[in-house]
Amino acid sequence: DARVTQTPRHKVTEMGQEVTMRCQPILGHNTVFWYRQTMMQGLELLAYFRNRAPLDDSGMPKDRFSAEMPDATLATLKIQPSEPRDSAVYFCASGLVPDGQPSSQPQHFGDGTRLSIL
Amino acid sequence: AQKVTQAQTEISVVEKEDVTLDCVYETRDTTYYLFWYKQPPSGELVFLIRRNSFDEQNEISGRYSWNFQKSTSSFNFTITASQVVDSAVYFCALSEAYAGKSTFGDGTTLTVKP
Repeated sequence: DARVTQTPRHKVTEMGQEVTMRCQPILGHNTVFWYRQTMMQGLELLAYFRNRAPLDDSGMPKDRFSAEMPDATLATLKIQPSEPRDSAVYFCASGLVPDGQPSSQPQHFGDGTRLSIL
Repeated sequence: AQKVTQAQTEISVVEKEDVTLDCVYETRDTTYYLFWYKQPPSGELVFLIRRNSFDEQNEISGRYSWNFQKSTSSFNFTITASQVVDSAVYFCALSEAYAGKSTFGDGTTLTVKP
């Protein structure tokens, strides 16, 4: 079965360091989502892309977070500088949403990156 | 704005009991999709079932069944004859039909005891 691949699976770093998380969506999927999961906030949508273009990043702290899709096979989420409150599990998900048509397709999630900022 | 409410934070049952997870949603859209996802202790989220806003027919798939009622904006999910492997966090999600963006509930933690 095709899967969304996220790297790294775990990351521990000190406050102030740059963190980069990577995601390889399922081949053929045109929409990529980044979520953050914490006990307090649950599953939050940070940003998402359609055909590599950012559609909505309103859930993302703009001053330190950035999301990009350099190509169709790679999405990145960067935090610079990182803070202890950024500790969470970050999920990438991909899906297929045809342009101008409704889509009933579910999102396919990666295994997540468990991030700890000391 | 879209909203999904899962009022049950935690549920604990004994193996072989039936269990129903509740989900209530809010949306102004006329076309939308509803999903249930499972997050086992290993951490990944797995798609379970979906329903579109035009189809209120309830279905059964193995031990899973779901009850979609548009009049009450509810999309409840039932596991029949629960098993220990069903222990997980279950998320209900509401998806915008054309954007593909989903709003997730806070999740219900189900514990099935042997």
